[in-house]
Amino acid sequence: GQQLNQSPQSMFIQEGEDVSMNCTSSSIFNTWLWYKQDPGEGPVLLIALYKAGELTSNGRLTAQFGITRKDSFLNISASIPSDVGIYFCAGQTYSGAGSYQLTFGKGTKLSVIP
Amino acid sequence: DTAVSQTPKYLVTQMGNDKSIKCEQNLGHDTMYWYKQDSKKFLKIMFSYNNKELIINETVPNRFSPKSPDKAHLNLHINSLELGDSAVYFCASSLRQGRSQNTEAFFGQGTRLTVV
Repeated sequence: GQQLNQSPQSMFIQEGEDVSMNCTSSSIFNTWLWYKQDPGEGPVLLIALYKAGELTSNGRLTAQFGITRKDSFLNISASIPSDVGIYFCAGQTYSGAGSYQLTFGKGTKLSVIP
Repeated sequence: DTAVSQTPKYLVTQMGNDKSIKCEQNLGHDTMYWYKQDSKKFLKIMFSYNNKELIINETVPNRFSPKSPDKAHLNLHINSLELGDSAVYFCASSLRQGRSQNTEAFFGQGTRLTVV
């Protein structure tokens, strides 16, 4: 089946530093999504990317959809303590009849040291 | 107002029991899903329903049976629970928009199932 390789697995950074994480795939996806999961909560959508080459920002977050549709990165600028959590990339494919399937990366666990 | 809500949030039960997890969404979405997150935080799709019709049915033991009474609800029933069923189960929903934008999934808070 499809697999996403997400790196790094974990990061420890100082507050104020910039963060970068990425995902690669052997398969093409029509849509790339980035989610954040806090402990005890469900994944929350951060950014959705629909077009190859698209660069999208959401506050301090910036993500890009690779030209080949097989990769994406997420950058967080000037990290703050509440950025702590697990970040997941997800490739989305259309399964027909209005249904979309997400294939998730294994997550990047971010720790921010005040 | 909670967009995708699941109950219960925690469920502890003995092996062999039958249990259900309920999910409701008030987003007006057409499609609902169940995902499973294992102990290593890996998320994998189990089922999807569009307007009460089963669309995706991944390789899941047939002890797991989704039921959708209407398009705003998708419940997950699990028979003869096993230790390996312990995980966090997430309900999600998305809007049907063909193959383009605004199709991303919104997730509930999860149900942590512990089988003892």
